[in-house]
Amino acid sequence: DAKTTQPNSMESNEEEPVHLPCNHSTISGTDYIHWYRQLPSQGPEYVIHGLTSNVNNRMASLAIAEDRKSSTLILHRATLRDAAVYYCIPPLIQGAQKLVFGQGTRLTINP
Amino acid sequence: ETGVTQSPTHLIKTRGQQVTLRCSSQSGHNTVSWYQQALGQGPQFIFQYYREEENGRGNFPPRFSGLQFPNYSSELNVNALELDDSALYLCASSAVGANEQFFGPGTRLTVL
Repeated sequence: DAKTTQPNSMESNEEEPVHLPCNHSTISGTDYIHWYRQLPSQGPEYVIHGLTSNVNNRMASLAIAEDRKSSTLILHRATLRDAAVYYCIPPLIQGAQKLVFGQGTRLTINP
Repeated sequence: ETGVTQSPTHLIKTRGQQVTLRCSSQSGHNTVSWYQQALGQGPQFIFQYYREEENGRGNFPPRFSGLQFPNYSSELNVNALELDDSALYLCASSAVGANEQFFGPGTRLTVL
């Protein structure tokens, strides 16, 4: 199984961009990189996923390194509602639907 | 469109008892996964059901069992409860082959 490494916590200010890093040096060539986040007192919610190229959606952007050993989740303009634990999740070899959550990064947004 | 719902929201049991947690999947989703989240930890995969059959299991003992019904709703059963079973139990539904899983709000189980 691929492993991920994320900082335990990060802090940013409201309306500033946030770059959340993730190392996944053991990821295989066909593994998608998923990001989920968990707001306080809620279940996790899907943020974005990608394979090789950079990806954008309404919530965030995902920048994937050329060697795929790392990726960065980018929140372009953080709001207080973005305060959450962000999980970088590679899939298990068996399939993309069995998510493996690590400790994640706890993101604090200062007003 | 109704999202994933779970019941009950909170539950208190004593050691040795049995518990059943319920999950209604999002409309059109035929795959349900269950996760256990201990306080301060990330969710841990318990098992997944697809078309009423178990489709993968994490590192949990057999006293954790499940069911999926024809309407794709699901149950998680835990027998012989232990103190360490105290956790938030999360259910997630998805369409087969989809990358995105939709999580419910969870059931908070406390074992005394």
